Amino acid sequence: EVQLVQSGGGLVQPGGSLRLSCSASGFSANRFNMNWVRQFPGRELEWIAHMSKSGADILYANSVKGRFALSRDSVRNSVYLQMNKLRDEDTALYFCARDSQDAAGYYAFDIWGQGVQVTVSS
Amino acid sequence: EIVVTQSPATLSLSPGERATLSCRASERVGTSLAWYQQKPGQAPRLLLYDAYTRATGIPVRFSGSGSGTDFTLTISSLEPEDSAIYFCLQRFSWPRTFGPGTKVEIK
Repeated sequence: EVQLVQSGGGLVQPGGSLRLSCSASGFSANRFNMNWVRQFPGRELEWIAHMSKSGADILYANSVKGRFALSRDSVRNSVYLQMNKLRDEDTALYFCARDSQDAAGYYAFDIWGQGVQVTVSS
Repeated sequence: EIVVTQSPATLSLSPGERATLSCRASERVGTSLAWYQQKPGQAPRLLLYDAYTRATGIPVRFSGSGSGTDFTLTISSLEPEDSAIYFCLQRFSWPRTFGPGTKVEIK
């Protein structure tokens, strides 16, 4: 089955760090662009990070730039989101999403992980 | 940053009725727009991309139209399982941005 399984969420104090994992099964993660999206308690969705399939292009939303970092492990078929200097406003449900291209060349976030909760609070 | 808005915020309709959801981008995005359905406790599910292309396994009652700045998701005949929040996402430029969602309630 093609799926993304996430782990690593939890409760952390402001200023702390967490690493989220996104493990792919049924496909090779390094053949796809991968993205991270978070959802705030009020349901708003925010795209936060993108890694191209080559790994050469990594982009971040301004809200996380300089604090979050993407990485990939091809052997474990996983991507990771290292989150540092966490703030109260980073509290959200975090999703990883596969960016897939169809035969006509159009892309879409077609497979999503189940989401993990990150709560930043003292 | 392209700002995406959606209307209405909530739509309450009966089974069998037609639902029309709107999405508007603050700048032209061509057809680089996708629609997602999200149910409580679940991840968003891709419905349509490139404004009108149905994703694999999506029923034909879901259709999309529009280009430029104004887009529409139509559910031709509502089923009880269509109760959800529907989001649009522009992927024309960085950062990718989502609309705030339309909640569809089935009476």
